[in-house]
Amino acid sequence: EAGVAQSPRYKIIEKRQSVAFWCNPISGHATLYWYQQILGQGPKLLIQFQNNGVVDDSQLPKDRFSAERLKGVDSTLKIQPAKLEDSAVYLCASSLDRGYNSPLHFGNGTRLTVT
Amino acid sequence: AQSVTQLDSHVSVSEGTPVLLRCNYSSSYSPSLFWYVQHPNKGLQLLLKYTSAATLVKGINGFEAEFKKSETSFHLTKPSAHMSDAAEYFCVVRPSGTGGYQKVTFGTGTKLQVIP
Repeated sequence: EAGVAQSPRYKIIEKRQSVAFWCNPISGHATLYWYQQILGQGPKLLIQFQNNGVVDDSQLPKDRFSAERLKGVDSTLKIQPAKLEDSAVYLCASSLDRGYNSPLHFGNGTRLTVT
Repeated sequence: AQSVTQLDSHVSVSEGTPVLLRCNYSSSYSPSLFWYVQHPNKGLQLLLKYTSAATLVKGINGFEAEFKKSETSFHLTKPSAHMSDAAEYFCVVRPSGTGGYQKVTFGTGTKLQVIP
């Protein structure tokens, strides 16, 4: 099966600019996650979708970050305006469902550098 | 609430020697547990998972882990390290519960260095 696809792989922007990341999950996976991974740290959940509804966005900085999952398939994560501390790898993952024995499958991530 | 503690931030082994990466967890409900590996500039790859079946779980690339409920541990082992095992490893817990939302929690990671 095809894995989780993310684009772009790398992005460099200046602070206060905006940026968007795209994710295409594994076909048939109902649950989609966006994680932020700062260098040297473990992934931190930003938002979790079940189909096209939000399950958890408690750690999403909503004043600057937004995400959507139209039609319950692809998803887009946007940052506007970006800050220096947003420099990180943004990982998208999907799972068949949100059941406890359903593992997450990750894409290769987008490395964002904010200068 | 649940938590995951990876007891070592860095582990260094010689090629051909055993690997032990330690993980302890706490969970209000019987959890599923996972180990992921992350090579540089890559996403996380699932190594193995425990989901209340056999307590000794075999994964890819010769790794295995044993679920010990009495010790609340899920340590990752490999009999003989290979250079390609050098990466960062994450222990992950996902509680079962009944209905509702069960959050996935990541440990802080263990970097494995393999010395030739």
